[in-house]
Amino acid sequence: QKEVEQDPGPLSVPEGAIVSLNCTYSNSAFQYFMWYRQYSRKGPELLMYTYSSGNKEDGRFTAQVDKSSKYISLFIRDSQPSDSATYLCAMLKGSNYKLTFGKGTLLTVNP
Amino acid sequence: GAGVSQSPSNKVTEKGKDVELRCDPISGHTALYWYRQSLGQGLEFLIYFQGNSAPDKSGLPSDRFSAERTGGSVSTLTIQRTQQEDSAVYLCASSLAGSGSANEQFFGPGTRLTVL
Repeated sequence: QKEVEQDPGPLSVPEGAIVSLNCTYSNSAFQYFMWYRQYSRKGPELLMYTYSSGNKEDGRFTAQVDKSSKYISLFIRDSQPSDSATYLCAMLKGSNYKLTFGKGTLLTVNP
Repeated sequence: GAGVSQSPSNKVTEKGKDVELRCDPISGHTALYWYRQSLGQGLEFLIYFQGNSAPDKSGLPSDRFSAERTGGSVSTLTIQRTQQEDSAVYLCASSLAGSGSANEQFFGPGTRLTVL
């Protein structure tokens, strides 16, 4: 079993839909949780960063962490065609520097 | 823009040849990372440089892979005797510090390596 599991999709939704992206993990040492967005032929860019359990909101994006269930989510409200990309969850253990990534979910938002 | 840059953007090589991939981190960033992104495997950590400390090479898949960072800035990832399974996108990232909660890693656009 990989440390971080993420459904690769693909996920296709109409413009304006609410999108839910999820990852599960097996190692309770993970303390920092991130979501990266990667457009085709580009490097990943950091979208959201959370520490420990709880919610964090930034505009149309909400990141949720449930450490008791080892489950993290990213919600995108009012999705736009420009949100079409691969979304990668990533995690860090304590003061470590090695990001452990999920495989990414390919999202397409159709106009 | 002063982001992370990588060259070449694409590299096609024949099996058995050596390749060098270059990374220019963001100025002032002390930490530099190499990752590999391949179909079905996602992003995998390869190597980490922090200041003048010995690099963490624990993610390198074989001794055909090596990396250097000269003068605390530019880094080169070298793959010797390339194999078809080395085909992937090689991503470089840099961050202000090597660890801690504010350790945001900024990624370059990657080098797409194809081994024929």
